[in-house]
Amino acid sequence: NAGVTQTPKFRVLKTGQSMTLLCAQDMNHEYMYWYRQDPGMGLRLIHYSVGEGTTAKGEVPDGYNVSRLKKQNFLLGLESAAPSQTSVYFCASREQGALHGGYTFGSGTRLTVV
Amino acid sequence: KNEVEQSPQNLTAQEGEFITINCSYSVGISALHWLQQHPGGGIVSLFMLSSGKKKHGRLIATINIQEKHSSLHITASHPRDSAVYICAVRSGGSNYKLTFGKGTLLTVNP
Repeated sequence: NAGVTQTPKFRVLKTGQSMTLLCAQDMNHEYMYWYRQDPGMGLRLIHYSVGEGTTAKGEVPDGYNVSRLKKQNFLLGLESAAPSQTSVYFCASREQGALHGGYTFGSGTRLTVV
Repeated sequence: KNEVEQSPQNLTAQEGEFITINCSYSVGISALHWLQQHPGGGIVSLFMLSSGKKKHGRLIATINIQEKHSSLHITASHPRDSAVYICAVRSGGSNYKLTFGKGTLLTVNP
């Protein structure tokens, strides 16, 4: 089925460990986004990409890095995990210029840092 | 102050009731989105609005650009409508970034 696939769905890390979250979309969308969702807060933008090979910082980029080497994949990296990065992470994609404006979200990755 | 405010934060209804969730925003926008998130689940896009009104099944979304306000209505509510409903706005610019409200938790009891 077409859509946005996030892997893994769940992960527990120890403080200081590193990991990479993968977001893959098969809709040929130009725009991709990484958000985090925390209790009592709206989704917040970590990093985004407007096309292959380009990335930009969002509201809360500290402690994260991203790469978009291929159009269909957007990777989110945590170099040295901290308990404050315990969250649910969502990836989303959007077609450039689409008037109907639909965003497609992945099913989320629940990350716990202990 | 959050740029996007939703009310109420929590809403409990009986099956069959008419539901209204409100969203107010403080910045100029090019579009407003309503999203649905079931407990423990992913996020689904329901509507994108830049003016007027849209309807899909039992869901109706309206927006008043001058008053910076949007409403999401659910007619003949059903327990399967129980979810968090999220309002998000897109400001001008070419990167299509969204700013999200905190969400409204709707519980529909049978």
